Amino acid sequence: GEDVEQSLFLSVREGDSSVINCTYTDSSSTYLYWYKQEPGAGLQLLTYIFSNMDMKQDQRLTVLLNKKDKHLSLRIADTQTGDSAIYFCAEGSSWGKLQFGAGTQVVVTP
Amino acid sequence: DAGVIQSPRHEVTEMGQEVTLRCKPISGHNSLFWYRQTMMRGLELLIYFNNNVPIDDSGMPEDRFSAKMPNASFSTLKIQPSEPRDSAVYFCASSFDTKNIQYFGAGTRLSVL
Repeated sequence: GEDVEQSLFLSVREGDSSVINCTYTDSSSTYLYWYKQEPGAGLQLLTYIFSNMDMKQDQRLTVLLNKKDKHLSLRIADTQTGDSAIYFCAEGSSWGKLQFGAGTQVVVTP
Repeated sequence: DAGVIQSPRHEVTEMGQEVTLRCKPISGHNSLFWYRQTMMRGLELLIYFNNNVPIDDSGMPEDRFSAKMPNASFSTLKIQPSEPRDSAVYFCASSFDTKNIQYFGAGTRLSVL
């Protein structure tokens, strides 16, 4: 069945870049997503990428997609303390359920 | 728009009691999803609806769980009877477009004692 895997924890210093990695198995996925969850809150969409793209940039966020290896990454430039959160990778089609990873806890230290 | 609205935000109940969680999706959205989040199992999809019709309920743990969507602006998730292992945060999400971007509510934190 489908599976999305990501590392569970990342520690980064304020001002450095963060890179969160994700692998997925469903080659028919149309979209891949990055969601952010802050403590006590629901998941919030950060960005998404269409499966026929290999890169998308949005301010401090850069998403890279290697469709051949089924690898997705999220780079956060100039990481701030407000970026401390859990980041979820997800894959899906144009409608219906999404397959989420277990989430990567990102801790930003001063 | 107010976003996806869930109520209550917190629910504490005793084992064996009935629990009803409520969700109001974003107006105009035609898909609604119920998720459960725990430390042990992460984020699990329980059920989702499209145009008020249940499409996939394979994630519903057992017969004690039921979900309804009587109209496009309201859905409930009911647990009867509740058990301590049902303690979790329950999220509702809705979507409307072909990019399938799901918008999440703030969640209901359920504690079953």
